[in-house]
Amino acid sequence: GAGVSQTPSNKVTEKGKYVELRCDPISGHTALYWYRQSLGQGPEFLIYFQGTGAADDSGLPNDRFFAVRPEGSVSTLKIQRTERGDSAVYLCASSLSAGEDEQFFGPGTRLTVL
Amino acid sequence: TQLLEQSPQFLSIQEGENLTVYCNSSSVFSSLQWYRQEPGEGPVLLVTVVTGGEVKKLKRLTFQFGDARKDSSLHITAAQPGDTGLYLCAGRRGAQKLVFGQGTRLTINP
Repeated sequence: GAGVSQTPSNKVTEKGKYVELRCDPISGHTALYWYRQSLGQGPEFLIYFQGTGAADDSGLPNDRFFAVRPEGSVSTLKIQRTERGDSAVYLCASSLSAGEDEQFFGPGTRLTVL
Repeated sequence: TQLLEQSPQFLSIQEGENLTVYCNSSSVFSSLQWYRQEPGEGPVLLVTVVTGGEVKKLKRLTFQFGDARKDSSLHITAAQPGDTGLYLCAGRRGAQKLVFGQGTRLTINP
């Protein structure tokens, strides 16, 4: 079947604008994760969903960041009042269940804030 | 502060040479994973090590988990240009959260 997909692949926005990044996990995967990868760094955990609920949002940097997964499948990461420091690749991953070891990553959305 | 420190951060060697990449931490992890990431793609899992002292082999790649489960190494024998990429180690903290190192960017020259 299809892997994890993310849209858009690239997003350029201006400082202060609002953006939404979408993640379609592998069908049947109940766990979904968001990470942020800055240039030259490894991915940094943001938030994890088990089903519809955010089980761990300790990695969200501040209250400008919010994520939802209303039907337990597709997830949207929302960033308000974007800042230049938000520029990064935002990666989504899914796993079969909360206890599954392997997370399957999407290709990411490259966000550039001008 | 980087919880997982990878070294070296950059490595460029000739085809056929051997190399070792290290992943070190002061913290204990329940398991440690190695990923490889190509440009424009997400990381892809190579291996998971769980038991202290565990050694796993994947063709020319050998992965080892330290006895105290705080560090790991990746050894590549007879490197090939196809091995070029970003190698990431990640430790599992709690039930689901992965903590990644900053990565080692490996270039194998023909």
